[in-house]
Amino acid sequence: ELKVEQNPLFLSMQEGKNYTIYCNYSTTSDRLYWYRQDPGKSLESLFVLLSNGAVKQEGRLMASLDTKARLSTLHITAAVHDLSATYFCAVIPQGAQKLVFGQGTRLTINP
Amino acid sequence: NAGVTQTPKFRVLKTGQSMTLLCAQDMNHEYMYWYRQDPGMGLRLIHYSVGEGTTAKGEVPDGYNVSRLKKQNFLLGLESAAPSQTSVYFCASTPAGRTAGVNYEQYFGPGTRLTVT
Repeated sequence: ELKVEQNPLFLSMQEGKNYTIYCNYSTTSDRLYWYRQDPGKSLESLFVLLSNGAVKQEGRLMASLDTKARLSTLHITAAVHDLSATYFCAVIPQGAQKLVFGQGTRLTINP
Repeated sequence: NAGVTQTPKFRVLKTGQSMTLLCAQDMNHEYMYWYRQDPGMGLRLIHYSVGEGTTAKGEVPDGYNVSRLKKQNFLLGLESAAPSQTSVYFCASTPAGRTAGVNYEQYFGPGTRLTVT
């Protein structure tokens, strides 16, 4: 059974700082997704990573995938308050047609 | 193009009552999914469908039934609601198939907040 684990689960940081959220998964997968969720809202797609070594960047967020280590990272550069949200990674196991989600990382960025 | 819509947005049920949640998508997607989200947890898959007339169990199917009579609609039913089913329910859809290197991103609806008392 595929398990997806994120850490940290809670992160409070100051504006202007850098930090990384980690997503580990337990079985083979060739695609990984990052989503953002604001309180009381639905999930918004941030990145789709489809191959080993894939790196994608959007603004202050950068995501990468290492399929050999079964690890994805979401790096935040020079954080701003607007990035406060819960971030989820999700993985589709090979041969499956369904996403398995991590627990989410609640990110709070303080002025 | 409305994307994925869910009806209703909010509902309060008493234990033992039944209800149906409706998910509709206008993107001609083959695959549709129902998730539940509980505080402090990620989304857990309840049931999913890979095409009209098909359904399959997910991670937490007990207490729920689903139907996909039309391609654009995916219904989630609670026959006898229990307090443990208090949650936020999300529907999602994605295009068909699984081809290496192709992005089959899931598109999520706005959610239905269900409280069972």
